[in-house]
Amino acid sequence: GQNIDQPTEMTATEGAIVQINCTYQTSGFNGLFWYQQHAGEAPTFLSYNVLDGLEEKGRFSSFLSRSKGYSYLLLKELQMKDSASYLCAVRDEGVTGGGNKLTFGTGTQLKVEL
Amino acid sequence: EPEVTQTPSHQVTQMGQEVILRCVPISNHLYFYWYRQILGQKVEFLVSFYNNEISEKSEIFDDQFSVERPDGSNFTLKIRSTKLEDSAMYFCASSGGLGTDTQYFGPGTRLTVL
Repeated sequence: GQNIDQPTEMTATEGAIVQINCTYQTSGFNGLFWYQQHAGEAPTFLSYNVLDGLEEKGRFSSFLSRSKGYSYLLLKELQMKDSASYLCAVRDEGVTGGGNKLTFGTGTQLKVEL
Repeated sequence: EPEVTQTPSHQVTQMGQEVILRCVPISNHLYFYWYRQILGQKVEFLVSFYNNEISEKSEIFDDQFSVERPDGSNFTLKIRSTKLEDSAMYFCASSGGLGTDTQYFGPGTRLTVL
């Protein structure tokens, strides 16, 4: 099975940088995803890591260390609209034919203040 | 930009009634999923579907649940006899060719069982 831990809440200031951490213990691993979820809405894909290192997409970057079971999402130049829940999700490996499920953490509620 | 759509956005039903939740995945995707999110809790995997059959299901997906792809575009989740604890947001997702691609989520159906 999968166990995924992330902080419950974080607060940051508009224009600042925030790092949201995620640790996982898994029986199999085939990639780690970060999604953004506004209240009452669907998860929206932000980034994906399957190899160690940093992936950068505009204001968002994500880092993965498979040996440490650790990832973080870095948000730069924070805007008020970035206030949302950020979900860390690990994809299983090994299902024949693909379509491997995602196991989600409980999400980190980020509040961006003026 | 292609997106996953779901209908209805909100469904209210009486305990014991059958409900069918509908999804139209992204048109060239091959893998389809249902997830649910009970209010205030994490997103949970229910089932994945590929090549007209279930490829994986969770413990939540018991005999009360079924999925179907009745035509070339729709993907449905049926709950035969709803229980109070089935009240949740149900998300459909789809992913592309190899099943290792990103899963994109629909806007969800909020199911309320009274």
